[in-house]
Amino acid sequence: QQQVRQSPQSLTVWEGETAILNCSYENSAFDYFPWYQQFPGEGPALLIAIRSVSDKKEDGRFTIFFNKREKKLSLHITDSQPGDSATYFCAASQGGSAKLIFGEGTKLTVSS
Amino acid sequence: AQTIHQWPVAEIKAVGSPLSLGCTIKGKSSPNLYWYWQATGGTLQQLFYSITVGQVESVVQLNLSASRPKDDQFILSTEKLLLSHSGFYLCAWSPGTGGAQDTQYFGPGTRLLVL
Repeated sequence: QQQVRQSPQSLTVWEGETAILNCSYENSAFDYFPWYQQFPGEGPALLIAIRSVSDKKEDGRFTIFFNKREKKLSLHITDSQPGDSATYFCAASQGGSAKLIFGEGTKLTVSS
Repeated sequence: AQTIHQWPVAEIKAVGSPLSLGCTIKGKSSPNLYWYWQATGGTLQQLFYSITVGQVESVVQLNLSASRPKDDQFILSTEKLLLSHSGFYLCAWSPGTGGAQDTQYFGPGTRLLVL
């Protein structure tokens, strides 16, 4: 079964708007949640990550909001730019495990 | 700074033919190494991981095998390719010790098309 789910599958926003990408998980033992950004034909690049002891992580225009009780998190991209157009993957792992579980991804398009 | 190199960049192979893909990490000793597969437009599926030379753990069975002959090298191979092996193969590494051991960094990938 899919342990990490993402929504929406695709999202289009205008330049300057805030894009909100959602992620949920099933395994309450997951405690590390990285987000990756992938451009076509390239490997994913680590964008930002959060651990379950925190409820918010901010890095420039990118912010993760984490709700441990509901097993949900979201990635907010403020002041979206055309260069942010990419596929974003939410992933999860537990206790320093080598196994990293990825969601299906959200394809973001920023229109100018 | 750590660099990760994958070879070849792309391959077109026939069904039933053998395959060998490689990955090299420079600038980091004793990393954990990983192989992932990604279908076009799909998610990333972890295939193998290795925490030390000569030791490889399989995560999912896809008629593929992996080996770690050196500290900085990870090889993915099969003797007989299937059509379903087509996709994007990604190598990743994470620090073997110290903080953020679970943070994985990906290479540029190898595109494989099986005909």
